[in-house]
Amino acid sequence: QQPVQSPQAVILREGEDAVINCSSSKALYSVHWYRQKHGEAPVFLMILLKGGEQKGHEKISASFNEKKQQSSLYLTASQLSYSGTYFCGTERHEKLTFGTGTRLTIIP
Amino acid sequence: NAGVTQTPKFRILKIGQSMTLQCTQDMNHNYMYWYRQDPGMGLKLIYYSVGAGITDKGEVPNGYNVSRSTTEDFPLRLELAAPSQTSVYFCASSYVTLEPRNQPQHFGDGTRLSIL
Repeated sequence: QQPVQSPQAVILREGEDAVINCSSSKALYSVHWYRQKHGEAPVFLMILLKGGEQKGHEKISASFNEKKQQSSLYLTASQLSYSGTYFCGTERHEKLTFGTGTRLTIIP
Repeated sequence: NAGVTQTPKFRILKIGQSMTLQCTQDMNHNYMYWYRQDPGMGLKLIYYSVGAGITDKGEVPNGYNVSRSTTEDFPLRLELAAPSQTSVYFCASSYVTLEPRNQPQHFGDGTRLSIL
């Protein structure tokens, strides 16, 4: 079953913060995060493993709560380059199931 | 390094035609995947392979076939193309030693396919 992401879309001014959530109805072993710019391929950001470990990439960090089967992506002091669609991918049995995506637009 | 290379980049097919989407990677990755992405939607797994000679179905395999005769190549074949197969197709690969859960996937640039 596809993980649910929220919000579906968000518009930020440069320098503002955002949180993107990813929830699954099934037990998770890990959560992957990818960013896709319009017309391009998805690009890997980070992987969160069991244990609630937080990871960081640029000013982007994420957390993983395996008990709640949720992950959150935190974008701090957003830059224009952060614009794109963010996908979480939940891993089970060697396969990733991607979420519906969150479209992030950063305006100057 | 070229990474994951997909050909062609664009293609228009008529209903009922067949074609093969090519995917090759030069990173010596053992796992390879095919996804489709419909407009404004997420990625759905069509087929995947954990090594040469081994393939398995993903979420949406109907209407597609794959083979993996070498580590580098993972072609996707469409038989009897239908309008519902109009989509962007992405090939991806990853290097897995013990657990796939902690290995990133590297994507090709995609093939944009329209079936009319």
